[in-house]
Amino acid sequence: DGGITQSPKYLFRKEGQNVTLSCEQNLNHDAMYWYRQDPGQGLRLIYYSQIVNDFQKGDIAEGYSVSREKKESFPLTVTSAQKNPTAFYLCASSSWQGNFLYTEAFFGQGTRLTVV
Amino acid sequence: KQEVTQIPAALSVPEGENLVLNCSFTDSAIYNLQWFRQDPGKGLTSLLLIQSSQREQTSGRLNASLDKSSGRSTLYIAASQPGDSATYLCAVRPGNTGKLIFGQGTTLQVKP
Repeated sequence: DGGITQSPKYLFRKEGQNVTLSCEQNLNHDAMYWYRQDPGQGLRLIYYSQIVNDFQKGDIAEGYSVSREKKESFPLTVTSAQKNPTAFYLCASSSWQGNFLYTEAFFGQGTRLTVV
Repeated sequence: KQEVTQIPAALSVPEGENLVLNCSFTDSAIYNLQWFRQDPGKGLTSLLLIQSSQREQTSGRLNASLDKSSGRSTLYIAASQPGDSATYLCAVRPGNTGKLIFGQGTTLQVKP
């Protein structure tokens, strides 16, 4: 089945530790995205990538880093510089048909990160 | 700056009712709009995508409309069922990057 796989489902981070969240898609989509969801704040964009080896900061990129070495993979690292990392993280992907027409965005099942 | 608003934040209806969820956006220069459903603790499930050139899309009991000039979209759910209980989110694509800007969502409860 085609889709987006995020792992792990739950992740616990100690103070001062870097952690990496995995996102893999087999939909052959060009663009991939990372969002953060907090209660009462909706989804906010962290980073996005339209093509391999290229990515741009979203609205809340500070304390996060990404890479896009393969079309199907877009891992997110939450660094120790992120002061409030406890949140639900969602990865998404979409493709485009030319003339700036993006197709549906599909989301993974999310990773819940908790600082302990 | 594009802002997306969904009203009401929460809605409770008896089973069988037809209902409308509202989404408004401040900048009419969008490429498309997408409606999602989110169950507690889960990811988002895509319901409908409306391109800027379209007025509406239908899928089963769901119908989404788009009025770009007024900055509004509605999601119509016919004959609601308890299984429709979830949070419904709308999102707009304001440019050619494919970024989505989300509203805060409407949490729907359908009572048996």
